[in-house]
Amino acid sequence: SQTIHQWPATLVQPVGSPLSLECTVEGTSNPNLYWYRQAAGRGLQLLFYSVGIGQISSEVPQNLSASRPQDRQFILSSKKLLLSDSGFYLCAWSVGQSGYGYTFGSGTRLTVV
Amino acid sequence: QQQVKQSPQSLIVQKGGISIINCAYENTAFDYFPWYQQFPGKGPALLIAIRPDVSEKKEGRFTISFNKSAKQFSLHIMDSQPGDSATYFCAASSSNDYKLSFGAGTTVTVRA
Repeated sequence: SQTIHQWPATLVQPVGSPLSLECTVEGTSNPNLYWYRQAAGRGLQLLFYSVGIGQISSEVPQNLSASRPQDRQFILSSKKLLLSDSGFYLCAWSVGQSGYGYTFGSGTRLTVV
Repeated sequence: QQQVKQSPQSLIVQKGGISIINCAYENTAFDYFPWYQQFPGKGPALLIAIRPDVSEKKEGRFTISFNKSAKQFSLHIMDSQPGDSATYFCAASSSNDYKLSFGAGTTVTVRA
């Protein structure tokens, strides 16, 4: 069966520090991968998605970047964190072109202090 | 621009009551309509989904009603329980789109 792993679960980082969040998927090949951010009590904001290795689409220009160095690995990065980067970051995967079977990871709670 | 509009933003229901969440869309190419349930501190999980060739789908106490002509769909939670207290997101996608378009979410609180 397919599983998605996302870590760390919680992270507290100072302003200006770098960030690297990792997401990996097991049990499937060539998944579509997504990074979402959710502010406290708010909806799901799509940040980046990828339909293949090295292919990254950015939905919202901001202080973050994404990379997909391997088929089932998706990384969210920042060179210098801002207070506004705080939030709940979710990785998700799907297959095909229909949004069918969109599955989320357990999330990373990032607090920038 | 949000492609799926969801209401209400929050609702409170007594145990045993019915929770109703409504969503509307404009893109007639949408052909897949899932609902996700999210508990605090967790990722959203697929609850139930429907395709436009049916008007209703029921799974346990959860029912999706779909009105293609009105471009609306709704989630009904029957006999609501305190364990149903969560945030619910509707979503939609088309067969040629890699992404789900999510509604803004509805926080449901079920009072015992």
